Amino acid sequence: QSVLTQPPSASGTPGQTVTISCSGSGSSVGTKNVNWYQQLPGAAPKLLIHSNNQRPSGVPDRISGSKSGTSASLAITGLQSEDEADYYCAAWDDSLNNWVFGGGTKLTVL
Amino acid sequence: QVQLVQSASELKKPGASVKVSCKAYGYTFTTYAMSWVRQAPGQGLEWMGWINTNTGNPTYAQGFTGRFVFSLDTSVGTAYLQISSLKREDSAIFYCARGIWVGGPFDYWGQGSQVTVSS
Repeated sequence: QSVLTQPPSASGTPGQTVTISCSGSGSSVGTKNVNWYQQLPGAAPKLLIHSNNQRPSGVPDRISGSKSGTSASLAITGLQSEDEADYYCAAWDDSLNNWVFGGGTKLTVL
Repeated sequence: QVQLVQSASELKKPGASVKVSCKAYGYTFTTYAMSWVRQAPGQGLEWMGWINTNTGNPTYAQGFTGRFVFSLDTSVGTAYLQISSLKREDSAIFYCARGIWVGGPFDYWGQGSQVTVSS
């Protein structure tokens, strides 16, 4: 069982907006930055969002992150077929002294 | 450009040991922490711990003490993960991932090393 909670699946049609949630605790999401990773099928994870809402160079601006309290969200607008992947949130947990991940959300583009 | 290149897949028998390597290119190896992340078949990501590339001091997450050892060879910019007394449930893909410090995001990942434990 993962420390951070994500929905196991999400879906949308091309052009739509999809939001993926990530719920944690006061010792993780509540006080630490949240990062999001995208894992395409058969590939290594890739950093998508860091520090709650910052996009690394090369990540399109139709991808955004936000955080409020002990929850964070990843939003993808203008959904494209190449967005079909698994998405993971992660945060440092001060109580565990550990990085903790969400269980992952499988995004399907219909 | 920055790359983390990991060793090839391994097939091992239960009870054996395996050593996975992660060679860094395109940056000064000792300026970034190196973490290890496990992904069991069909499962999510699990942080195993990290190694301070300046001091060589490893820190292991709960559940990864005893049979798991992180090490370095800074002369060749390489981090290693060794797992001893392999069990079938150790079968997974293991990733190295760098972060500016242990609490920073993992901005580059290795391609992953598949370890399969089977008799």
